[in-house]
Amino acid sequence: KNEVEQSPQNLTAQEGEFITINCSYSVGISALHWLQQHPGGGIVSLFMLSSGKKKHGRLIATINIQEKHSSLHITASHPRDSAVYICAAGGADGLTFGKGTHLIIQP
Amino acid sequence: GAGVSQTPSNKVTEKGKYVELRCDPISGHTALYWYRQSLGQGPEFLIYFQGTGAADDSGLPNDRFFAVRPEGSVSTLKIQRTERGDSAVYLCASSLMGGIDTQYFGPGTRLTVL
Repeated sequence: KNEVEQSPQNLTAQEGEFITINCSYSVGISALHWLQQHPGGGIVSLFMLSSGKKKHGRLIATINIQEKHSSLHITASHPRDSAVYICAAGGADGLTFGKGTHLIIQP
Repeated sequence: GAGVSQTPSNKVTEKGKYVELRCDPISGHTALYWYRQSLGQGPEFLIYFQGTGAADDSGLPNDRFFAVRPEGSVSTLKIQRTERGDSAVYLCASSLMGGIDTQYFGPGTRLTVL
C-alpha cells in the first residue's frame, strides 16, 4: 500500500510570498496528482505528473521519480489561493491521497 | 461541457437507514471512482469501475457498502444500515480510460448520519 505524506499540514503566508508544498510517497507510481479543495469540499484537479515539471499560470509542479517526491509551488500568492492542496499518488486502479495542506494567504 | 455531477449534495439520515448516492460521470468516460473523505482527512479510495464492472472494490470498508454501474455510465453507491461513522463527504471522479488519465472530480455528497 502506498503511503503519501505531505508537508506542511498548515501554512499561513502573506500575499505575494512564494509557496512550496511537498509530497512524498513510498511506492513507485504511474502518476502524481495535485488537487485543490475549496471550503465546501469541491475538488479541482490542478496537475497530473509522471515526470519533470508542469506550469499553469502561477502554479508549478515538479516530480522526482527516483526520490519519490513532488512539490507544488505558487508564485506571487494571493488570498484567493487559500484552499487545501492535496497530493495523490496514482496507480492503475485509483489514487492514494495525502491528508492535505491547509494554505491561508493573508492580504 | 458538463462535468461530473453528484446528487444529492447533502444527505442527512438516521442511524440504521439505507442511503443511495448518485454519480453522473463525464459523458464517454469509461472509468469511475468513488472516494470517501472524513473530516480533517484526505480522501480514501472506495471502488473503481471500468465500464460496468468493478475493477477494484478493495476500498469498500465492509459489506454494508455496495456500488453499481449497470450501464457503464451513472453509478450509485449504496450504504445499508448506516452508522454514525459513515458520516463523510463521498466523492466521485471519472476519467476517460482509467489508468493514468486525469480524474475529474464531482462536488461530492455530504452524508450525515445522526
